[in-house]
Amino acid sequence: AQRVTQPEKLLSVFKGAPVELKCNYSYSGSPELFWYVQYSRQRLQLLLRHISRESIKGFTADLNKGETSFHLKKPFAQEEDSAMYYCALSYNTGGFKTIFGAGTRLFVKA
Amino acid sequence: EAQVTQNPRYLITVTGKKLTVTCSQNMNHEYMSWYRQDPGLGLRQIYYSMNVEVTDKGDVPEGYKVSRKEKRNFPLILESPSPNQTSLYFCASAVQRGTDTQYFGPGTRLTVL
Repeated sequence: AQRVTQPEKLLSVFKGAPVELKCNYSYSGSPELFWYVQYSRQRLQLLLRHISRESIKGFTADLNKGETSFHLKKPFAQEEDSAMYYCALSYNTGGFKTIFGAGTRLFVKA
Repeated sequence: EAQVTQNPRYLITVTGKKLTVTCSQNMNHEYMSWYRQDPGLGLRQIYYSMNVEVTDKGDVPEGYKVSRKEKRNFPLILESPSPNQTSLYFCASAVQRGTDTQYFGPGTRLTVL
């Protein structure tokens, strides 16, 4: 069965430190993977998706099909990065379903 | 402003009293979806719709109904709500497919007593 696992519920780092939010997925086909972010009092919004291969707000994520991972990384965390981060997998099943991980709350300390 | 709207934003109701949560988007998106968010579980998909009159079950459809009579609207119906449907509900839309970027509504917090 398809699954998305985010092993860390909470990640706390100091400002300027590197950060990595882990995401592992289970899917036998070609996955469409996303990172969504929810800042305090804001809507859930797209941060980045693997097919675009771009860096948004300094974040990058590389799809590793061998390890079935899509970890989110940023070399120098900022306080404004504090938010809830969700990894998501979308796939074609005749229709298009989406599975979200449980989320990781990132707290960047001053 | 291009957006997804949901109403109501907050709702407290009692077991068995039918309710509808509305969702509307003004972006001419074909794909719409409903999710529920529960602590420790992330978002789980309830139903989705590929286009008008085309709907399908997500992972947790039990106890919910949807309809898609118009492209812009995708209401979520709870015919007989139960306390285990207390949750935060999100509506989302995407241009064409679920594999496109999804745009989310602000959420509806539902409490069933």
